[in-house]
Amino acid sequence: DVVLTQTPVSLSVTLGDQASISCRSSQSLEYSDGYTYLEWYLQKPGQSPQLLIYGVSNRFSGVPDRFIGSGSGTDFTLKISRVEPEDLGVYYCFQATHDPPTFGGGTKLELK
Amino acid sequence: QVQLKESGPGLVQPSETLSLTCTVSGFSLTSYSVSWVRQPSGKGPEWMGRMWYDGDTAYNSALKSRLSISRDTSKNQVFLKMNSLQTDDTGTYYCTRGPTYYGPPYYFDYWGQGVMVTVSS
Repeated sequence: DVVLTQTPVSLSVTLGDQASISCRSSQSLEYSDGYTYLEWYLQKPGQSPQLLIYGVSNRFSGVPDRFIGSGSGTDFTLKISRVEPEDLGVYYCFQATHDPPTFGGGTKLELK
Repeated sequence: QVQLKESGPGLVQPSETLSLTCTVSGFSLTSYSVSWVRQPSGKGPEWMGRMWYDGDTAYNSALKSRLSISRDTSKNQVFLKMNSLQTDDTGTYYCTRGPTYYGPPYYFDYWGQGVMVTVSS
């Protein structure tokens, strides 16, 4: 199975700071159709995961533009500029290029 | 609006079979896929399997021998059955709406609230 390694495991920030999360894959996530099936989800405490980014860099409907996804191949990054209180929780990258689809281990974003 | 809701027993005995139901509204099971995702407490999620729009299924190879996903389109329900449960199957089980077919764009856009399942005697 494809392993997605997220770093850091935990990230302490001050509101208004920028945060950056890395997701590295054990295999390239570019599919033969040219699409990269890499998504980012945020799970707030006590809630279900919610979609932030799909296809590496496309923000889902209603997601603020302070969330920026980038990367290619095996290395991907989620940047959050100007962290706000509602951004706190655990971030997961997810790949569906290879079977079975797999999630990263998660990065917990918390206040310093 | 689009909604998914999981239901099922909160407690299952070891070696028994887990049966969960995902009841959807606001969309048709013949137009979207529905996946099951589980999450042990304090750990990352695990994709379990999927019911495609056309009734085809796909399973995580790690669970395939124990897992079965089916549906009743007339009732807008997707079912999960998993046998030979052990304590490490304890966690929260979610159903989530996915794409119609495999291809871009691909994402899980709506999730149920999840149902907590404890495997214990």
